[in-house]
Amino acid sequence: AQSVTQLGSHVSVSEGALVLLRCNYSSSVPPYLFWYVQYPNQGLQLLLKYTTGATLVKGINGFEAEFKKSETSFHLTKPSAHMSDAAEYFCAVTPGGSQGNLIFGKGTKLSVKP
Amino acid sequence: EPEVTQTPSHQVTQMGQEVILRCVPISNHLYFYWYRQILGQKVEFLVSFYNNEISEKSEIFDDQFSVERPDGSNFTLKIRSTKLEDSAMYFCASRVLVLGTDTQYFGPGTRLTVL
Repeated sequence: AQSVTQLGSHVSVSEGALVLLRCNYSSSVPPYLFWYVQYPNQGLQLLLKYTTGATLVKGINGFEAEFKKSETSFHLTKPSAHMSDAAEYFCAVTPGGSQGNLIFGKGTKLSVKP
Repeated sequence: EPEVTQTPSHQVTQMGQEVILRCVPISNHLYFYWYRQILGQKVEFLVSFYNNEISEKSEIFDDQFSVERPDGSNFTLKIRSTKLEDSAMYFCASRVLVLGTDTQYFGPGTRLTVL
């Protein structure tokens, strides 16, 4: 069975500071990994994904994530936080090549202080 | 850019009533999904649908739930007799069937409130 653990339900950073949102997964098969962002009262928007190939993936809005198989991690980072990054971030996993229902983590709410 | 749309954005209903949530997936997509998010909790998979039949469903998707693709564009989720605990945000998602392309595109959601 697959699962996703997001450490920290709430992360607060200052504007301009590094953003690090942690995600660990468990999967019995090579996973596909995703980060989605949810702004208040909106749906889920794909930030980035890892399927195969390069383990460092870049997404929208300056975010990137690195797939580390040995650590079963897929942490999300951004060098410099912006006020507009305040949102909830969800890490998700699906078995690679499958029908693709996503297993989500509980989410991390990011707050950005001026 | 094509997007998944959902109607209504907010549905209020009385316990025991039937509700139908509607979704229009992206036009060339072939896999369709429903997820739900109870307030303050994580997004949970309900059901996937392909080739006019259910591909996979979770434990949440019991006999009270059904899905249908009544025409070439709509994808619906029906809850036959709503319960208080069905109150949640329901998201529709769709995916194109191309090997190695597993991105699901989500709609904006329908907030269901059961009184």
